[in-house]
Parts: sequence; C-alpha cells; structure tokens
Amino acid sequence: EAGVTQSPTHLIKTRGQQATLRCSPISGHTSVYWYQQALGLGLQFLLWYDEGEERNRGNFPPRFSGRQFPNYSSELNVNALELEDSALYLCASSKGLAERTQYFGPGTRLLVL
Amino acid sequence: AQSVTQLDSQVPVFEEAPVELRCNYSSSVSVYLFWYVQYPNQGLQLLLKYLSGSTLVESINGFEAEFNKSQTSFHLRKPSVHISDTAEYFCAVSLHSGAGSYQLTFGKGTKLSVIP
Repeated sequence: EAGVTQSPTHLIKTRGQQATLRCSPISGHTSVYWYQQALGLGLQFLLWYDEGEERNRGNFPPRFSGRQFPNYSSELNVNALELEDSALYLCASSKGLAERTQYFGPGTRLLVL
Repeated sequence: AQSVTQLDSQVPVFEEAPVELRCNYSSSVSVYLFWYVQYPNQGLQLLLKYLSGSTLVESINGFEAEFNKSQTSFHLRKPSVHISDTAEYFCAVSLHSGAGSYQLTFGKGTKLSVIP
C-alpha cells in the first residue's frame, strides 16, 4: 500500500511570491492534515481537511490556505511569502473522523529567499 | 489548551545501552498519545501509539512506552539501542473531545545519538 506522497520535495521561492504544495493521502483515507516544521519553532498544526471541508485551522495568518479535492488529495497555498515561511511542510492522512492515527508524508522543504 | 513537554532535547547513549526518552503532557481532557521518529531529511514515522486498553504499548523494533495517567507521562524506552536508532523522536497528543481534538500537538523533540 502506497504511503502519503507530497510534491515537490523542494521548492525555492522569493519573498512575496506564492507557493503551492501538494499531498496525496493513503488510499481510503479521507482526512488530510498540514503541519509546519520550522527551525526553532517545532511542529505546528496548520490545517485539517476531511471530506472536502476545512475542519480546523491552526494559529496561522489567512495567507496560508488550502483545499481538498474530490479524490481527497490536498493543496496548501502560501501567498505573499515571507522569509520566516521557510520550513518543512508535512502532510498527514487518516481514515477520517473514526481514526485518530495520522500517517505522514516525506514533506516539502520550502526555502524563501 | 494541551501541551507536551519533552524534557531532554538531546540524549547521547552508547550502543547496546538502555535509553528512556521522557514525555509529559498537560490537558484538561483525556488524550490519545503517540511517538513519532524522524530520520534526517525525512518525514515522521509512527513508532507507537496509545489509544485505549493496555497502558504498555510496544513497537516492532523493540521500543515500548507506558501511559501513566496519574503522572501524565508517556515515556519511551528501549532496553538496548542500535546505531540505526539515531534520529529525532517526537511525542504527540490529540484530545478525546472538544475544540481542536483531532490535530496533533507535538513536543519539541528529543535527538537520540547512539555512540558506537
């Protein structure tokens, strides 16, 4: 069974640009979570999607947004990039509301110059 | 709000020695508990979890953790470490109920270095 996949693996952008990160969950999983792992700040929850709906978001500004598609894959968009957005962005999936265990992908490393 | 404290940021240990990585949590409601491992330049891998039932949980590679409700702890142990165990270990919780109950709250991680 394939795990969670993320693309691209690395992304380099300049300040002010927009970044789009993608995630495909494990087959049969309906929930997708996004986390940011920034140096010195640890792992922080960003967004949670289930069945195409945004269920919750963490303490991040509105320029962090996303969506979940009918096939349960997800996209994270970061607008007006700032230097401090440089981080590893991790996607995780689970079997929706009935399952609490989250399985993580390899991450997308975003560097903002 | 819930929080997770991993008391040791770095733990060096000799190969074949035992190790304990400490994790304490704070929450006003019941929690589910997880340990994840992160190897350099990789994502997180689930090591073990406590959802319900026996408070002692084990992984396939020799790690174990015990949920202690009275001490609000979920320490990770291994009786004999290998070089390949060198990695960063994260303790995480999610709430049984309430607002924000599904996302994970992580500790700051413990870097385990196994010395040959």
